[in-house]
Amino acid sequence: DVKVTQSSRYLVKRTGEKVFLECVQDMDHENMFWYRQDPGLGLRLIYFSYDVKMKEKGDIPEGYSVSREKKERFSLILESASTNQTSMYLCASRGAGTGVGNTEAFFGQGTRLTVV
Amino acid sequence: DQQVKQNSPSLSVQEGRISILNCDYTNSMFDYFLWYKKYPAEGPTFLISISSIKDKNEDGRFTVFLNKSAKHLSLHIVPSQPGDSAVYFCAASLRIQGAQKLVFGQGTRLTINP
Repeated sequence: DVKVTQSSRYLVKRTGEKVFLECVQDMDHENMFWYRQDPGLGLRLIYFSYDVKMKEKGDIPEGYSVSREKKERFSLILESASTNQTSMYLCASRGAGTGVGNTEAFFGQGTRLTVV
Repeated sequence: DQQVKQNSPSLSVQEGRISILNCDYTNSMFDYFLWYKKYPAEGPTFLISISSIKDKNEDGRFTVFLNKSAKHLSLHIVPSQPGDSAVYFCAASLRIQGAQKLVFGQGTRLTINP
């Protein structure tokens, strides 16, 4: 069974704290993604990565950074958490190529982050 | 710049009838389109996809139609069942050199009434 695991389901952090959200996949996928989900805005892409140490900015990268030191792990970092970063964060992974089994992305269960 | 748009935030359908969810996109370079279903407090789960070189893909009760000239796709669910009540997201894939970018729409909340 394919698996994308996010380290926490719920997190509460204080304004100004440095926050790490971890994501691990066991499918040997090249591509990994971080999204945030907010009511009425859908899933917005923060950062994505297509290989170890490679990263690309998504549509809303401000206030975030990422790290991909190993193929299976993609970390999202909030350098100085702010209340407007309170959201549901979703990690996904996807294989390279266009064959069967590579077109869909698999998601983790999500991390509900509250910044107070 | 919202490249993938779902203009209906919600849709209510009678059980047994057809549900039609719509999605529009702006970038003609998208090579794959996908539909996901999401329940509260869970990650999205994949439903069905379609390549940009096709115009229809069917999987059981789910059919996706792609109209490239209109930059529009739709998901048909027939017959609709109460368990189909969820938020549905349309997504599109774009290759940028070595990377794959996957962008999503805002979602449509589908409610199936018994």
